[in-house]
Amino acid sequence: GQQLNQSPQSMFIQEGEDVSMNCTSSSIFNTWLWYKQDPGEGPVLLIALYKAGELTSNGRLTAQFGITRKDSFLNISASIPSDVGIYFCAGSGGSNYKLTFGKGTLLTVNP
Amino acid sequence: NAGVTQTPKFRVLKTGQSMTLLCAQDMNHEYMYWYRQDPGMGLRLIHYSVGEGTTAKGEVPDGYNVSRLKKQNFLLGLESAAPSQTSVYFCASSRSSSTNEKLFFGSGTQLSVL
Repeated sequence: GQQLNQSPQSMFIQEGEDVSMNCTSSSIFNTWLWYKQDPGEGPVLLIALYKAGELTSNGRLTAQFGITRKDSFLNISASIPSDVGIYFCAGSGGSNYKLTFGKGTLLTVNP
Repeated sequence: NAGVTQTPKFRVLKTGQSMTLLCAQDMNHEYMYWYRQDPGMGLRLIHYSVGEGTTAKGEVPDGYNVSRLKKQNFLLGLESAAPSQTSVYFCASSRSSSTNEKLFFGSGTQLSVL
């Protein structure tokens, strides 16, 4: 099946720093999604991207759909302790039951 | 606002035992999904359903069965549990199959098979 390479695997940062993570694929996707999973909870959708080149923001979060349709990145500006969690990218050809998830980036924010 | 509810939250089984995980959603969603999450593996789709009375295989269906007798419920069964099925299981639902429709996840079931 399709595979997504998500990096980095983990990050340890100080409160206030900016964070960047990305996903790359060998396949083209029509949709890129970014989820956050808090400890002991299920993933929650942060940002959805549907068009190559699209740049979308949600508060301090910004994500972009790569021009080649094979990659996406997520930036978090001015991190705060509640940003701690696992961030997943997911790509799809257009159906929710064909979502491919990345392995996740574990973010730790030191106050 | 219940959303997607999974029961139980934790379970320990011995190899060979059977069990059923229950997922219930109160959003009248047509599509429901079961995923497993393993360390360093991300989320992998086990089975899904496109509506009441239907089921379909996902990426890793072996060793699991599902049923969708009522639109709001999606059951995941393990007939003979194996240690390789130790994982965190997530149920999710969506209004349609399109990625324009958000996936809503439950809070997960931690299953350990000894």
